[in-house]
Amino acid sequence: QQQVKQSPQSLIVQKGGISIINCAYENTAFDYFPWYQQFPGKGPALLIAIRPDVSEKKEGRFTISFNKSAKQFSLHIMDSQPGDSATYFCAACNQAGTALIFGKGTTLSVSS
Amino acid sequence: SAVISQKPSRDICQRGTSLTIQCQVDSQVTMMFWYRQQPGQSLTLIATANQGSEATYESGFVIDKFPISRPNLTFSTLTVSNMSPEDSSIYLCSVGQGTDNEQFFGPGTRLTVL
Repeated sequence: QQQVKQSPQSLIVQKGGISIINCAYENTAFDYFPWYQQFPGKGPALLIAIRPDVSEKKEGRFTISFNKSAKQFSLHIMDSQPGDSATYFCAACNQAGTALIFGKGTTLSVSS
Repeated sequence: SAVISQKPSRDICQRGTSLTIQCQVDSQVTMMFWYRQQPGQSLTLIATANQGSEATYESGFVIDKFPISRPNLTFSTLTVSNMSPEDSSIYLCSVGQGTDNEQFFGPGTRLTVL
């Protein structure tokens, strides 16, 4: 019940395309859902986060879609660029600022 | 966002020895967390470190192996004791900050145990 399931494990997208990464959770007590971007040799960087009271949040080319009834949320990267090539992790917790449960990660490669 | 530094950034250690990792934050924070990221894997929480109280460890992690100190609101250490090659990982500290209490990560300490 504490798991966050992330898919796909890896993703190859052409430059300018849309990258979509999906996550699902079981624990209905989760109320904060961030996405992190990690480059090799670096710590994870907070990309965007959402709470379950909204169905979508957009920041630049990055959008989170949230489906509370299905207990699923996804990250959409519009106009994907080679610089977006990184590992992306979804996460969840039951109160922002508490320990996070991470998905297994998605390695994104954007080909030029 | 908080600026978080970790020392050392990387180290190569012999089995049976111990390494203490430092985490410094540029502002006072209530909660700090220590995570482990094994090669090519996701992040797993080791423990939550609150100032003035004992750290709270997750299942599979024990204080004798991973003692943690939290002497003030800007600093914490994690010690990896009696190391074995299976302890080779990236160790990351994180803090909660901001209006939504977002969690920010340090750059990590890459540990290799021979």
